[in-house]
Amino acid sequence: DIQMTQSPSTLSASVGDRVTITCRASQSISGWLAWFQQKPGKAPKLLIYKTSSLESGVPSRFSGSGSGTEFTLTISSLQPDDFGTYYCQQYNDYWTFGQGTKVEIK
Amino acid sequence: QVELVESGGGVVQPGRSLRLSCAASGFTFSRHSLHWVRQAPGKGLEWVAMIWYDGSRKYYADSVKGRFTISRDNSKNTLFVQMDSLRAEDTAVYYCTRDSRLDSSGYHFDYWGQGTLVTVSS
Repeated sequence: DIQMTQSPSTLSASVGDRVTITCRASQSISGWLAWFQQKPGKAPKLLIYKTSSLESGVPSRFSGSGSGTEFTLTISSLQPDDFGTYYCQQYNDYWTFGQGTKVEIK
Repeated sequence: QVELVESGGGVVQPGRSLRLSCAASGFTFSRHSLHWVRQAPGKGLEWVAMIWYDGSRKYYADSVKGRFTISRDNSKNTLFVQMDSLRAEDTAVYYCTRDSRLDSSGYHFDYWGQGTLVTVSS
């Protein structure tokens, strides 16, 4: 089974900050990685797929990068609406989520 | 627009059964593979099961294999999961979600339902 490990588990940042979340896979996933945002009591929302493809309607301040086993989600300028928990997910071999990164606005 | 609406959740005793449904609309249901994903209270997301667009293949997480059965009715645009021998650790919000690829599987999840809560407790 492929394990996904995110870091940090929690981060607190100010509006306008550049924020980076890292996701590491236990083996190569050939770029088959997605990022989701989840707000309390709501379903996850797709942000990025295939490592770096931006889902339609998602603000361009969100971007993804990486290869092999290491991937990042970057928010170029944090906005108040960006609070929530972010999950990475691999879909190279079955489907596995990272444990989540909670983003708080200072 | 694409819509997925789960139903069937509730409180059930350990060892009993429950069947969840997910009614879909706004897309060609029979061309998309579908998944169940769950989230225990205060915890992260866990993939549970998947069924191919035509129902020909089904896959399960080890944690539910042998106890849960995923199925679909393409004539009624509805996804199901039959959950037997329920345990306390099955307590979670259950989401149905769509594989974005047509006539295949193994791609990202693009649409999610709002979820239905299953509580397993005596």
